[in-house]
Amino acid sequence: KNQVEQSPQSLIILEGKNCTLQCNYTVSPFSNLRWYKQDTGRGPVSLTIMTFSENTKSNGRYTATLDADTKQSSLHITASQLSDSASYICVVSESSDYKLSFGAGTTVTVRA
Amino acid sequence: DTAVSQTPKYLVTQMGNDKSIKCEQNLGHDTMYWYKQDSKKFLKIMFSYNNKELIINETVPNRFSPKSPDKAHLNLHINSLELGDSAVYFCASSPRGEYGYTFGSGTRLTVV
Repeated sequence: KNQVEQSPQSLIILEGKNCTLQCNYTVSPFSNLRWYKQDTGRGPVSLTIMTFSENTKSNGRYTATLDADTKQSSLHITASQLSDSASYICVVSESSDYKLSFGAGTTVTVRA
Repeated sequence: DTAVSQTPKYLVTQMGNDKSIKCEQNLGHDTMYWYKQDSKKFLKIMFSYNNKELIINETVPNRFSPKSPDKAHLNLHINSLELGDSAVYFCASSPRGEYGYTFGSGTRLTVV
């Protein structure tokens, strides 16, 4: 069973609307949680990274939250733009070096 | 440009052939990785090298052999290619401490 579960698998939103993506994880011991954006045909690009002590982090119109007690994170996209159409991947790092666990991603499609 | 670059971007080859994918990073990172992204977009780590030393080998068939001539390069050689090897392969690198994890843009391998 994958240690990082994302929902929904995909979603379609209208340009200008907001949306929230969810990530639940069971990875332990926990080091940090990252959200990546992957455009079609490109490699993942980091949006945010949060450690255990951080509850929220923003990067422009992207805001990530983390509840380390319930092992949940969310990524909120505000005032979506067509360029936000991509796959968003939640990645959790264990405290040991180099070990990352990837979610399967949420595919977001923004329509005009 | 500072980046993780991998070549080729696309590779179409017949079953049974041997092929290599090259990866180079000029970020000065200590650690490099190979990931496989299957048709369901799920990223799975294959190998990790730290300063030319193999540190992660995740149950990958021994037809896959990574080679790290120096800490800026990590190449992936695949022998006797099979249909199931068709996927997008991503190279990545990171400094010590995991922050700054950077992915290449991927190599789409199609085995026919």
